[in-house]
Parts: sequence; C-alpha cells; structure tokens
Amino acid sequence: EAQVTQNPRYLITVTGKKLTVTCSQNMNHEYMSWYRQDPGLGLRQIYYSMNVEVTDKGDVPEGYKVSRKEKRNFPLILESPSPNQTSLYFCASSFRPDGNNEQFFGPGTRLTVL
Amino acid sequence: GENVEQHPSTLSVQEGDSAVIKCTYSDSASNYFPWYKQELGKRPQLIIDIRSNVGEKKDQRIAVTLNKTAKHFSLHITETQPEDSAVYFCAASMVGTGRRALTFGSGTRLQVQP
Repeated sequence: EAQVTQNPRYLITVTGKKLTVTCSQNMNHEYMSWYRQDPGLGLRQIYYSMNVEVTDKGDVPEGYKVSRKEKRNFPLILESPSPNQTSLYFCASSFRPDGNNEQFFGPGTRLTVL
Repeated sequence: GENVEQHPSTLSVQEGDSAVIKCTYSDSASNYFPWYKQELGKRPQLIIDIRSNVGEKKDQRIAVTLNKTAKHFSLHITETQPEDSAVYFCAASMVGTGRRALTFGSGTRLQVQP
C-alpha cells in the first residue's frame, strides 16, 4: 500500500530533551516536506527536500533540523524542544521535485512540550 | 514570499445548500492552486487543483474558479452533504521554482447541518 508513515503518533516531552520524529514514504517520491498545524494558522512549512541530500528552509524553520540521507526517509529533529513547538506535525511527499502536484500526507504527530 | 488569505474561517450551511470558500494570494507568479480537505482527526487530502492556464475546473459537486487578474480563487461545493463537513485549506505555489511547494491558507471549517 502506497503511504507516508510517521512515528511516533503522539509524544509528550519536556523542554530541552532532544527528539526525532521519523517520516518514511514508499512511493519513490522525490519531494518531501514537514508542516506544522496550529489553530487559526493553517499548515506552515518547516523544511522541505527536493531530493537526497537537498534540503531547504520553509516558512518556520527555527528550532528544527532535517536530513535526507535516503530517498524514502525525512526525519524531523528538535534539538532542544520548547513549549512553543507544541503542535500537530505532518510529513508529506510528492512525486515531482517542485512539489507542484498532489502532496500525500502522513497521519500526523501530536507533540506536546512541557 | 507568498501570502495566502482564506475566508471565511467558519461556514455553516444547511444540507443541500451551496458553500463557497474564497482565497487570495499575493505573488502573481503563483500558478498552481490546490484545495485540501481535512476531516476531524485525519490528514489533509487533495480534493481538487487548478493551474493558472485554466479559469475553472469541476469534479462532480466540487468546482474551483481562478481569477488571475484579481489574484483570487474559490472553492464551490454544491448540494452539500453532512460528509462534506471538514476543514478546507487552499494553497498556492509556483511551478518550476523548486524553492517551496505550497503556501497554505489558514483554513475554513465547514459545517453542514442535516
């Protein structure tokens, strides 16, 4: 089954404790992206990647890191989480490297930073 | 960068009525405009998209119109049904730049009253 998976789905952590949210897709998509969703703000792009070893900042990259060592995986790293990073996070992928076709979203990761 | 504004933030209609959601964008170079539907607790999913060389596109009860001169586009849902209740997001991007995929609007919560 073609899909985007994320883990964990739910996470409660404390300020400053490094964490990683994994994202994997099995559709051989070149483009992958991370979004955060907050009430009243819609979906805001954090980072994106057009291919292996190619990453770039989105609209809200502060406090986040990403890597793209393999085509299928695009982990999101929070080196020192803070309460303002409490949010719902979505990973997405699309076939074209410019992302201008359907984006397939993962199921989401709800993160709470205390 | 691109800025997308979406209105209204909430919309309540009676079953069978039509619903219209409007978005404006700031960058005249944007030329791809998708709409995503997010049901409660689920991931966003593409429902329809339009490119700037087309003024209108229909898919059964859903249609999208685009006015490039005014830089706005709209989603029209006819004969609404309770299962249309969800949050709808518009988005805009520029084909070919590769810099980023989508800038999303803040979302519209549509409630269809049976």
